[in-house]
Amino acid sequence: KNQVEQSPQSLIILEGKNCTLQCNYTVSPFSNLRWYKQDTGRGPVSLTIMTFSENTKSNGRYTATLDADTKQSSLHITASQLSDSASYICVVTDIILTGGGNKLTFGTGTQLKVEL
Amino acid sequence: ETGVTQTPRHLVMGMTNKKSLKCEQHLGHNAMYWYKQSAKKPLELMFVYNFKEQTENNSVPSRFSPECPNSSHLFLHLHTLQPEDSALYLCASSQESGGDTATLSYEQYFGPGTRLTVT
Repeated sequence: KNQVEQSPQSLIILEGKNCTLQCNYTVSPFSNLRWYKQDTGRGPVSLTIMTFSENTKSNGRYTATLDADTKQSSLHITASQLSDSASYICVVTDIILTGGGNKLTFGTGTQLKVEL
Repeated sequence: ETGVTQTPRHLVMGMTNKKSLKCEQHLGHNAMYWYKQSAKKPLELMFVYNFKEQTENNSVPSRFSPECPNSSHLFLHLHTLQPEDSALYLCASSQESGGDTATLSYEQYFGPGTRLTVT
């Protein structure tokens, strides 16, 4: 069964500090991995998307890494801001080889809180 | 804003009520989705519409009834819901390739969601 596990479940850091969120997946075969940010009361917004051949991708202060061999990804946030407080969701897309169509498997998210 | 709007943003309904959720996308996409998000659980895909045709129904109870009159609008009709149906209902859209099956391989843009409470 395809699964995406994220850690930690929740995290509190001080403003200005860096943090790293983890995502492990068992989805196979693999098409791409995305990180979404979801603010409270809002829908998820895409931060990065990486395919099998990409090891790292940055979006401002957000840097995602991918190790397709170990099936692990991380999201590193640099110089955190209060506005970074949100849920960060890892989403992995597989490939259905017969009949076409890809499926998305969602993690439960890491709840990040940035405090003064 | 992501270009996907949902109304209402909040809804409280009794178990005998009938209500509808509305989603509209202004991105020119050809695929739309309904997801359910419950506390501490991953997003659950409910329905997929590709080129206005329903291509996926993930064993969703019949008390949820989707409708996609055109590629820009998506509805979720609700009737005789249960308290465990209380959740955030998210709509998303994407630009998918053609064919009979949605590839779900492209970026999905989410709406803000409707917070549903069933009493």
